Amino acid sequence: SSELTQPPSVSVSPGQTARITCSGDALPDQYGYWYQQKPGQAPVVVIFKDNERPSAIPERFSGSRSGPAVTLTITGVQAEDEADYYCQSADSSGTYVIFGGGTKLTVL
Amino acid sequence: QVQLQESGPGLVQPSETLSLTCTVSGDSISSFYWSWIRQPPGKGLEWIGYIYSTVSTVYNPSLRSRVTISLDASKNQFSLKLNSATAADTAIYYCARDRAGCRGSNCYRWFDPWGQGTLVTVSS
Repeated sequence: SSELTQPPSVSVSPGQTARITCSGDALPDQYGYWYQQKPGQAPVVVIFKDNERPSAIPERFSGSRSGPAVTLTITGVQAEDEADYYCQSADSSGTYVIFGGGTKLTVL
Repeated sequence: QVQLQESGPGLVQPSETLSLTCTVSGDSISSFYWSWIRQPPGKGLEWIGYIYSTVSTVYNPSLRSRVTISLDASKNQFSLKLNSATAADTAIYYCARDRAGCRGSNCYRWFDPWGQGTLVTVSS
């Protein structure tokens, strides 16, 4: 079965750049998506189709792809960005949705 | 602006059926795909399945034998039934609108917006 792997945790100081990478066998054939989830809240999409950003999401959030991996980059991290981040994609057939295990971003 | 709201029992007996409803406002339920996603307390997200119109459904293979998702266009609602519930089904259950489609051979699916989620505990 397809899986998505992301680091359990990432820590950065305010103003620095945070990068979270998600890898998976099916990623070369499928788009990657990123969600931000703050405590007690539902997830919110911050990046869709690898590198597109919803209009309500700040420009400091960006997405990129390199082969079997997609990366979420937060440039100039702010305290309010502290949250869990989940990548999402599909299996190689494109039929079933899969999520990564989540990355806890800590702003020091 | 579309909004989703989950409703249903917060406590389910083991071996019973977990049933939830998602009420959609601000959009026609007949125009989009709709999904259920769950999150055990303190853990990650798991996609359960989606429905389009009243006849097209796709389920997570790990849950397929126990899951039914249905849609009531007259009420602008869709529902989840999960049979033979166990403690492992204890989770926050979210409903969400799928943003899905294909451009040529490139297909996409993501979720926006989500409901606020509802906690379902399976316990006697």
